[in-house]
Amino acid sequence: EAGVAQSPRYKIIEKRQSVAFWCNPISGHATLYWYQQILGQGPKLLIQFQNNGVVDDSQLPKDRFSAERLKGVDSTLKIQPAKLEDSAVYLCASSAYLGENTEAFFGQGTRLTVV
Amino acid sequence: GENVEQHPSTLSVQEGDSAVIKCTYSDSASNYFPWYKQELGKRPQLIIDIRSNVGEKKDQRIAVTLNKTAKHFSLHITETQPEDSAVYFCAACQTGANNLFFGTGTRLTVIP
Repeated sequence: EAGVAQSPRYKIIEKRQSVAFWCNPISGHATLYWYQQILGQGPKLLIQFQNNGVVDDSQLPKDRFSAERLKGVDSTLKIQPAKLEDSAVYLCASSAYLGENTEAFFGQGTRLTVV
Repeated sequence: GENVEQHPSTLSVQEGDSAVIKCTYSDSASNYFPWYKQELGKRPQLIIDIRSNVGEKKDQRIAVTLNKTAKHFSLHITETQPEDSAVYFCAACQTGANNLFFGTGTRLTVIP
């Protein structure tokens, strides 16, 4: 099956600029996650969608981050304005449901560098 | 939300030795615990998982144990090989909510 697609792979922007990341999950996966992975740390959940509804966005810095999942398929994550500390890899993952013999599949990630 | 702690942050072992990584979680409602392996520059990939109604699960050289009462679970890798070198993440999940919270990661280095 096709995997989770993310774009772009790399992005360099100046602080205070805006940036958007795109994710196309595995077909049929109802749950979509966006994670922020700072170098040397574990993935931190930013937002979780179930179809096109938000399940958990408690760790999303809503003053600058926003995400949407139109029609319950593709998703975009936006940062406006970016700060230096936003430099990280942004991982998108999707799952049908989680349990034994199933898993969340990750995309390759977008490496963001804010200078 | 769930808080997952993972130790150690780095681990070096000689090839052929065993490696053990330990995690604790805070939410007693968590009932599914996957382990992911992330090689440098690559995406995390599932290597083994365990549900809360099972105490131990093994897959060749990899095993996971779970103590639900104490809220901790561990990854055991036996007969380590250089290709086991990677960062390993534990995670905790409530299958009803489909959420997935990760630990901080353990960088395992297997020395040939």
